[in-house]
Amino acid sequence: AQTVTQSQPEMSVQEAETVTLSCTYDTSESDYYLFWYKQPPSRQMILVIRQEAYKQQNATENRFSVNFQKAAKSFSLKISDSQLGDAAMYFCASERSQGNLIFGKGTKLSVKP
Amino acid sequence: KAGVTQTPRYLIKTRGQQVTLSCSPISGHRSVSWYQQTPGQGLQFLFEYFSETQRNKGNFPGRFSGRQFSNSRSEMNVSTLELGDSALYLCASSPIADGGYEQYFGPGTRLTVT
Repeated sequence: AQTVTQSQPEMSVQEAETVTLSCTYDTSESDYYLFWYKQPPSRQMILVIRQEAYKQQNATENRFSVNFQKAAKSFSLKISDSQLGDAAMYFCASERSQGNLIFGKGTKLSVKP
Repeated sequence: KAGVTQTPRYLIKTRGQQVTLSCSPISGHRSVSWYQQTPGQGLQFLFEYFSETQRNKGNFPGRFSGRQFSNSRSEMNVSTLELGDSALYLCASSPIADGGYEQYFGPGTRLTVT
């Protein structure tokens, strides 16, 4: 069975600084995908970034990038130049081919002005 | 395109009653998934439908059921409600059922069981 672990229930970052959210996962699948989703307070969950496991290159989306360590089964999210609008719950998730999303418990990110 | 819509947004029910939640996916999306979100258990997968067929099912009791219609709209039903069913129920749609595609989430239905 797939599992996803986020060891940081809460994180805080100063505006304009960089923060890294941790995620580890466990899967026996060879073909799978990894995601970071963002859930702002009282707003809909949206995709931040995705990574195909077979790609060695780390995914990037503007200020968001991941550090994907396949052997260590680690998938951390780095947010650069943090903005007030980045404050949200961040969920790491894995998905096998033809499967469904398995989420971690989430990390609540606060951004201080 | 309009996003994923869920109705109702808020619902209060009594133990023992049943409830039906509705989800309209983004136009053209054929896969619909349901998730239960609670503070204690986090986000847990309920089931996924594609072309009116249930493809995957999570580890929930038989009181939780769902269906998908030919227009891809989906409903989930919970019978004999328990206090522990109080949660935010999220629906998500994607174009096809293969893994790796972005899932687009609706705003959720907040169910309170008293």
